[in-house]
Amino acid sequence: NAGVTQTPKFQVLKTGQSMTLQCAQDMNHEYMSWYRQDPGMGLRLIHYSVGAGITDQGEVPNGYNVSRSTTEDFPLRLLSAAPSQTSVYFCASKKGQSYQPQHFGDGTRLSIL
Amino acid sequence: AQSVTQLGSHVSVSEGALVLLRCNYSSSVPPYLFWYVQYPNQGLQLLLKYTTGATLVKGINGFEAEFKKSETSFHLTKPSAHMSDAAEYFCAVSEGTGNQFYFGTGTSLTVIP
Repeated sequence: NAGVTQTPKFQVLKTGQSMTLQCAQDMNHEYMSWYRQDPGMGLRLIHYSVGAGITDQGEVPNGYNVSRSTTEDFPLRLLSAAPSQTSVYFCASKKGQSYQPQHFGDGTRLSIL
Repeated sequence: AQSVTQLGSHVSVSEGALVLLRCNYSSSVPPYLFWYVQYPNQGLQLLLKYTTGATLVKGINGFEAEFKKSETSFHLTKPSAHMSDAAEYFCAVSEGTGNQFYFGTGTSLTVIP
């Protein structure tokens, strides 16, 4: 089982560049989400989606865009990268019921110079 | 918004000793509670969850946690630590629709041989 697949695993960008982090899941999960993980701050929710065509903001959405055109894919776009966006990014998915746990990808380590 | 507090960002125990990792949350409604483990350079893996019913829940790798509503706590325990338990542990809470998960800042567990 592939589960949640994130690409790339590592990326270095220059300030102002744009980039898309890819996330795909093969579990037919309705819900998908993006988090960033920073030292001492745990995971913070960036954006989430409860189904194709539906997205919403989380705790730290500024500087990031998302779209959900299919159930399987949920890309995260950085339109103009800033050093403050240096972080580890995790994508997760779960079934739609409220009590279900999330399944996480292995993360993308992003450095902005 | 929910808040999740994990007391102790670093915990060290001897191999074979009791592991106790603390988690307190703020919620005015019954929450859904989760513990995740993260090994270096990996994503988060679900250890256990509480959604409803029995307040003592058992998870993988010998871990268990008890939901105490009166104390708004969900502490994680393991009777005997193993070297392979060394990792970062995150407590997470969701409620209502389950669309937003709130994570604690994590506890790094070191196991001393």
